[in-house]
Amino acid sequence: AAGVIQSPRHLIKEKRETATLKCYPIPRHDTVYWYQQGPGQDPQFLISFYEKMQSDKGSIPDRFSAQQFSDYHSELNMSSLELGDSALYFCASSLRQGLDTQYFGPGTRLTVL
Amino acid sequence: TQLLEQSPQFLSIQEGENLTVYCNSSSVFSSLQWYRQEPGEGPVLLVTVVTGGEVKKLKRLTFQFGDARKDSSLHITAAQPGDTGLYLCARNTGGFKTIFGAGTRLFVKA
Repeated sequence: AAGVIQSPRHLIKEKRETATLKCYPIPRHDTVYWYQQGPGQDPQFLISFYEKMQSDKGSIPDRFSAQQFSDYHSELNMSSLELGDSALYFCASSLRQGLDTQYFGPGTRLTVL
Repeated sequence: TQLLEQSPQFLSIQEGENLTVYCNSSSVFSSLQWYRQEPGEGPVLLVTVVTGGEVKKLKRLTFQFGDARKDSSLHITAAQPGDTGLYLCARNTGGFKTIFGAGTRLFVKA
């Protein structure tokens, strides 16, 4: 079965650079979620989109922005990167009707030097 | 503040042993999810429990939802090295976001 696809899987950036992470949800899933997971921590919710509209917002820094496109894929844009942004970034998708059942992608490991 | 408390935080056992991990909250859940995460990978959904008192089995894993829907447990029988990983409980907050517990990191030694 098709799963959530994230790209790139690994990304290395310098401080103050920008990064764009991409997420392709499971086909027919209309809701996308972004999470940040620091070393040894649980995933922290950043932001979600339902039908291309922002649906909920968590602890997402103002330096980050995200959107969902007409084909339901989503991009997380990160600017003025800081060392503390180094983390695993997960995307998850779900069907609106299955709100509780989120399927996670493999993650993008971002390292900021 | 963690809305979900998981215990123990870390567990190291021998292959073949049984174990139970717990997830507790002061709030009532409409449902609760258990995930397993391996290093560098995304969390994989194991089960969703919905009804108070519900018990679900997944091979050697038994999940129980408390009668009051404020707590849940995961019991693993005859643990194997392949069970090693981070076990996370999670709940949806009623909106579009999910809150995770801090997780129980399990290590099963061969």
